[in-house]
Amino acid sequence: AQKITQTQPGMFVQEKEAVTLDCTYDTSDPSYGLFWYKQPSSGEMIFLIYQGSYDQQNATEGRYSLNFQKARKSANLVISASQLGDSAMYFCAMREGQGGKLIFGQGTELSVKP
Amino acid sequence: SAVISQKPSRDICQRGTSLTIQCQVDSQVTMMFWYRQQPGQSLTLIATANQGSEATYESGFVIDKFPISRPNLTFSTLTVSNMSPEDSSIYLCSVSDKNTEAFFGQGTRLTVV
Repeated sequence: AQKITQTQPGMFVQEKEAVTLDCTYDTSDPSYGLFWYKQPSSGEMIFLIYQGSYDQQNATEGRYSLNFQKARKSANLVISASQLGDSAMYFCAMREGQGGKLIFGQGTELSVKP
Repeated sequence: SAVISQKPSRDICQRGTSLTIQCQVDSQVTMMFWYRQQPGQSLTLIATANQGSEATYESGFVIDKFPISRPNLTFSTLTVSNMSPEDSSIYLCSVSDKNTEAFFGQGTRLTVV
C-alpha cells in the first residue's frame, strides 16, 4: 500500500539559511508523482513543486528544489535562503498512476528565526 | 493553474445541523476531490466527485454523512450532515486535470459547538 512519511514534526532554521524537509514514500506503482505543499496558519494549501517518477531532473521552482532519490524512495524539499514568511506547515504528498487522489504525509512545521 | 473559490471560508455551527460547502472552479475540470483536515492532523480524502456519476467515498466516509453534488464540470458541493463537535475540521476541495497538478481551494474552517 502506498505510504508517505515525514519524520520531522518540527524544524527550525535561521533566516537566509537553507533547510531540507524530509519525505520518504512507498509504492509498488512505477508511475507516480510527488508534491509538496505549504500550509500557513490560514489553512489554505499552496502548491510548491512537483516531481514525476520518470523525470530525469530534480524539480526546481524558484527557491524550492526537490532532492529526488528514487532508489531510496525519498523526495526531500530544499528551501534556499529562508524567509520569515516561509514559517508554515509543509506537506509531502503522492499520487499513484492516473488515480488523481493524493496521499499526504503528517507534515513538518517549519519555523524561521530572524 | 485553476483558480478555486471555496465558501464559506469559516463557520461556527450548532450540533445536529448541516452545512453545505461550495467549490467553484474557473475552468472545466474532470476530477474534484474533497479532503478533511482534523485539528493538528494531515489531510484525508473524503471522496472523489466526478460529473455525471455518484461520488466515490473513501473508507470511513459515507454518503449519508457527507453527501456530495457535482452538477457540472466547474462546481461541487459537500454537505456535512447532522454535525457533532468531532466534525470540527478544515474541509478542502481540490481539482486536478493533469497528473502534474493538484490545486486546492482556500478551505472551510468548521467549528461545531
